[in-house]
Amino acid sequence: RKEVEQDPGPFNVPEGATVAFNCTYSNSASQSFFWYRQDCRKEPKLLMSVYSSGNEDGRFTAQLNRASQYISLLIRDSKLSDSATYLCVVNRGDSWGKLQFGAGTQVVVTP
Amino acid sequence: DAGVIQSPRHEVTEMGQEVTLRCKPISGHDYLFWYRQTMMRGLELLIYFNNNVPIDDSGMPEDRFSAKMPNASFSTLKIQPSEPRDSAVYFCASSPRPGGSNTGELFFGEGSRLTVL
Repeated sequence: RKEVEQDPGPFNVPEGATVAFNCTYSNSASQSFFWYRQDCRKEPKLLMSVYSSGNEDGRFTAQLNRASQYISLLIRDSKLSDSATYLCVVNRGDSWGKLQFGAGTQVVVTP
Repeated sequence: DAGVIQSPRHEVTEMGQEVTLRCKPISGHDYLFWYRQTMMRGLELLIYFNNNVPIDDSGMPEDRFSAKMPNASFSTLKIQPSEPRDSAVYFCASSPRPGGSNTGELFFGEGSRLTVL
């Protein structure tokens, strides 16, 4: 089993719609969780950290479920510019620096 | 402030040649990471440094790969000899020590796209 698993998609989303997807992780000792965004042929960039109580940043909402070991990302009112690959990132628990990236979920927002 | 700077951006080389990738982290960042990205395997952590000291190199594929960080402003990833299966995008990232207002965000360079023929 992979340490961090994501549905690769693509999720085809009409502009203005809501899309949500999950990421599961295998290490129960993991303490740090993030969502990164990667545009085609570009470097990954931090979208948001994920906190235990869940958190929101504008149209983006992240949730953490420790019992089931998954994190989720919800995008409301999708924009064309939201089209990207969303990478789930989890630390391996024994060290902050050992950050494991998921393979990514591709989101395509269509007009 | 300048971000993480990597060079070269693109490299095409022949099997057996030595490849050296370079990275200048953001000034003041304590951590430096080398990642490799391929379609098949996604982003893989190769090695990371804390205050110029290698902390974990368990992701380095084999002895053909080596990384150094002689000072706080420079790191290299070397592949010798290179093989076609090393073809990938190699990213360098840096980060301040997490804590306080620092979330542990990784700041990536634009990557070095390596093709080994």
